[in-house]
Amino acid sequence: GAVVSQHPSWVICKSGTSVKIECRSLDFQATTMFWYRQFPKQSLMLMATSNEGSKATYEQGVEKDKFLINHASLTLSTLTVTSAHPEDSSFYICSVIQKAGDNEQFFGPGTRLTVL
Amino acid sequence: RKEVEQDPGPFNVPEGATVAFNCTYSNSASQSFFWYRQDCRKEPKLLMSVYSSGNEDGRFTAQLNRASQYISLLIRDSKLSDSATYLCAVNVMDTGRRALTFGSGTRLQVQP
Repeated sequence: GAVVSQHPSWVICKSGTSVKIECRSLDFQATTMFWYRQFPKQSLMLMATSNEGSKATYEQGVEKDKFLINHASLTLSTLTVTSAHPEDSSFYICSVIQKAGDNEQFFGPGTRLTVL
Repeated sequence: RKEVEQDPGPFNVPEGATVAFNCTYSNSASQSFFWYRQDCRKEPKLLMSVYSSGNEDGRFTAQLNRASQYISLLIRDSKLSDSATYLCAVNVMDTGRRALTFGSGTRLQVQP
């Protein structure tokens, strides 16, 4: 399956700072990437669909001005959490679909964000 | 009602036991179904896709019941290494939305 990396794997920051998380597909070009968030003991919740060269599609209730997504190349999507607060502390995971007709998604290793 | 529902467990079973998980989904337009395994503080990893006719992969058997809108996962001869959270996921393609909707997961603890 596809190889997906995320950086950083974990980050601790002060309230009010911005944090950028990178998601890279290492062995193929991904036109679509997904960003999920998972709070402790809860399921993965889709935040947004990132499309290369166009604006991301955000799920209802996700603030697009707070969670900035940039998918400038076929191998990289970034999620920036702006003015992070403790309630943004979560596990952020990206995923990719390898081929246009596929439904199978491959996940990155996730980024654990802790906002103090 | 949640789109995808699972019994959170935990299921505590002895080694060698057979254990079954169910997952119900609310959208009848759901088209693709998956079981993922997630270890503590790790990303989900695909365990198996679920096909209409049912499918088996070693000790794991997945089944789909479209009429009742549920999928199941059966694990035979449980191993200690099977301890994890099992997430079901569905995909609804009718709106062009390709992302997965996950259940909250069922935790399995296999005991020696």
